[in-house]
Amino acid sequence: DTGVSQNPRHKITKRGQNVTFRCDPISEHNRLYWYRQTLGQGPEFLTYFQNEAQLEKSRLLSDRFSAERPKGSFSTLEIQRTEQGDSAMYLCASSLGWRRGPQETQYFGPGTRLLVL
Amino acid sequence: ELKVEQNPLFLSMQEGKNYTIYCNYSTTSDRLYWYRQDPGKSLESLFVLLSNGAVKQEGRLMASLDTKARLSTLHITAAVHDLSATYFCAVVPSNTGNQFYFGTGTSLTVIP
Repeated sequence: DTGVSQNPRHKITKRGQNVTFRCDPISEHNRLYWYRQTLGQGPEFLTYFQNEAQLEKSRLLSDRFSAERPKGSFSTLEIQRTEQGDSAMYLCASSLGWRRGPQETQYFGPGTRLLVL
Repeated sequence: ELKVEQNPLFLSMQEGKNYTIYCNYSTTSDRLYWYRQDPGKSLESLFVLLSNGAVKQEGRLMASLDTKARLSTLHITAAVHDLSATYFCAVVPSNTGNQFYFGTGTSLTVIP
């Protein structure tokens, strides 16, 4: 068990460009979450998957954001036409979500820090 | 609008002292989580509280949940420098499936 990994760890892009981030969850975890965290704030829920199905998506999430988990393993988060307001840390977390209980403990990855110039 | 409020936002305390961090939330929930985040690092799960009256303890930290008051506390006993970090609570509303809503965090500094 190597934990949750995210790539890249840092990304600098120009406004208007598209970016894609990858998350590799803990291997047996069936739930995968994406969050956005800005300085001095708590993580903001973006979306989550159970296996390959995207079950929930934040109502605040722009249409420029899309996420996939094609085989129920790794996930990608794409931001199209980036804006300066997208600059943040993007966190991925995974969990065992078979039922409510301790298995729902989320394990977070190190995050991808995005800077949009 | 769902709110998860923590107070204080900043806490500076001396080693050996006790203190409590509060987490108030504005929705019905039977799941509350506490996390720790060190500077420049990701979040680490501390406690999962699943029912009214639940109490969990690990070392110098003890968390409790009062679902009727919509309040959770994180009590620090005899603080040590290693506890310096930002602490977040998060709730999962009963009617929204599995969306986690985080508080703004409490930045704790323990002074030797």
